[in-house]
Amino acid sequence: GESVGLHLPTLSVQEGDNSIINCAYSNSASDYFIWYKQESGKGPQFIIDIRSNMDKRQGQRVTVLLNKTVKHLSLQIAATQPGDSAVYFCAEGNNNAGNMLTFGGGTRLMVKP
Amino acid sequence: NAGVTQTPKFQVLKTGQSMTLQCAQDMNHNSMYWYRQDPGMGLRLIYYSASEGTTDKGEVPNGYNVSRLNKREFSLRLESAAPSQTSVYFCAIRQGHTEAFFGQGTRLTVV
Repeated sequence: GESVGLHLPTLSVQEGDNSIINCAYSNSASDYFIWYKQESGKGPQFIIDIRSNMDKRQGQRVTVLLNKTVKHLSLQIAATQPGDSAVYFCAEGNNNAGNMLTFGGGTRLMVKP
Repeated sequence: NAGVTQTPKFQVLKTGQSMTLQCAQDMNHNSMYWYRQDPGMGLRLIYYSASEGTTDKGEVPNGYNVSRLNKREFSLRLESAAPSQTSVYFCAIRQGHTEAFFGQGTRLTVV
């Protein structure tokens, strides 16, 4: 899910289906990764995070998978609901970089009823 | 969002005008950040303050200055606004390497 200028990549799913949102990150030294959800007109909200020494973490209806070999992160949303419609961002951070978070370009998820 | 308050919510400036965006938190977090978000884009870090008394440049600091007034407040100043600074500005806070909490944003238009 990288930005292509003014047009966000869009994923359209049917309500009840599972969604998979992808993110390619650039820094192999990143220590942790975070997924954020941003609804229209609001600030980003934390969904789930994962440390670089893990390859999977589960939350409520969400799972994050980390593949360090190919520097790829994914967010899986089970039984997608209309309230899941939003823009999703991945962010990466490094323990030695002054608490900086670097965000990816975002993916728009649209849920069809 | 609870805990992070940004003011103003909306602002229109003329090119060359100056203004200060305010951010205040009530969560006692050490780190505070200013991001900008352009249409259809991710967030880009302008400046951050890892703790009270320190500030550092982020990815896009040119045209901005910041002040960490105290632990609660972190302001972002545009000395001479340019149309390229039209954006939505978000303040965020963190404690260590935990999740970041974001404010609701300031929508700035420079004409």
